[in-house]
Order: sequence, then C-alpha cells, then structure tokens
Amino acid sequence: QSVLTQPPSVSGAPGQRVTISCTGSSSNIGAGYVVHWYQQLPGTAPKLLIYGNSNRPSGVPDRFSGSKSGTSASLAIIGLQAEDEADYYCQSYDSTLTSYVFGIGTKVTVL
Amino acid sequence: QVQLQQWGAGLLKPSETLSLTCGVSGASFSGYYWTWIRQSPGMGLEWIGDINHSGRTNYNPSLKSRVSISIDTSKNQFSLKLYSVTAADTAVYYCASRDYDFWRPMDVWGKGTTVTVSS
Repeated sequence: QSVLTQPPSVSGAPGQRVTISCTGSSSNIGAGYVVHWYQQLPGTAPKLLIYGNSNRPSGVPDRFSGSKSGTSASLAIIGLQAEDEADYYCQSYDSTLTSYVFGIGTKVTVL
Repeated sequence: QVQLQQWGAGLLKPSETLSLTCGVSGASFSGYYWTWIRQSPGMGLEWIGDINHSGRTNYNPSLKSRVSISIDTSKNQFSLKLYSVTAADTAVYYCASRDYDFWRPMDVWGKGTTVTVSS
C-alpha cells in the first residue's frame, strides 16, 4: 500500500475536465516536499508531466496543470483528448521512510 | 539532453544476483543523481536508490541490505546489483536521471528492463 493515495481510475468524455488527487500525510506532502506527476502510456516508461507541484516541462501541453494544498496534490487535465489515455503517478519524498515515494497510479480512460 | 540506455540479464533464479547497467549520453556525470526505480504489478513504482558522480549513494531502506549502486565515469555508466533475489523482485527496472537538487524530479528515464525471477 502506497503512502500516497490516488484513485484507481477516472474517466471523461473528450473535451471534459478530469482531476486526479494524490493524498499524503504530514511526513511527505504535508511536510512541504514537492510533488511531481508522471504519465505512462501503455508499454512505455513513465514520462515527467508536472514538476515542483505545478510546473510543466517544455513540450507538455498547457491542458495539464498541477496544484498542491496541505497534505494533498492534484493533477487536472482540461480538454481531455484520446491521447491522454494513460496511467498517471504522483511522486514526493517521505521523511519517515527516508525515501522517494510514488502513488499507486490512476488510469485515465477517455470515453 | 540526457539519454539513457540500459541492459542486463532478464531471467534469474531465486537467490541469484540481479545486475543491470545504464549507459549515459548527452550529459556530464556531475550535476545529476543517477537513479534506479522498479515497477511491479503488486508494488507499483518503487524508488530503489541513486548515486552521484563522486559515488555518494542513497538507498531505499526497504532494499538497502540487498542493493548496491555503483558508477563508472570513465565508461559513462552506472550499475545496479540486487542480491539474493526472490519472485518478489520480478519487475520492470528503470534507470533515470535527477538534477542534483534534492527536490528535482526524475526527468529522463530509460526504456526499462523486464526482470523475471523464477525457478
């Protein structure tokens, strides 16, 4: 069981907005450690999507956005597209475990 | 731009040693932490550990007793050894890079190596 909790799946129609939550605790997100998000398309390695809570690397469309508040973080996809169908993972650091930690992942399905 | 190419044995028997290597191109070894991560259906993504150019290592405490990460700057590569493997170590293993600052993400990943442990 991961220390960062994500919903197993979310879905939406093309053009809709979906959000993925990442809930942690006072030893990780709540302690001020930043959150990163990764996108994993089927059969490929994870790819960095959002870093430092809300920053997009070059080349990532602006329909992806991240935020953080308290012990949680969120990834929003605005204007969902078919190519966004993938698994999404949050990642932070945990001071109790003294380890980088990942969420269990959320599968996004485009209806 | 950093590029990572990884290789190593994909089929092991219980109690053997997993050995993987990741070759680095497009970047200087200094200024980064070189990282190993694995992904299994049961555990999801799991950080194994990392190493910097001077050989300083950080390991996941849950694996620390069985893991060794090393670096060879002359060959532009870094390696992972996981000792006494069991079926629970069956996973896809990725190498990745992280800028030196602690808070930075793992921003470049290798393609992954599937490792199966089976008798």
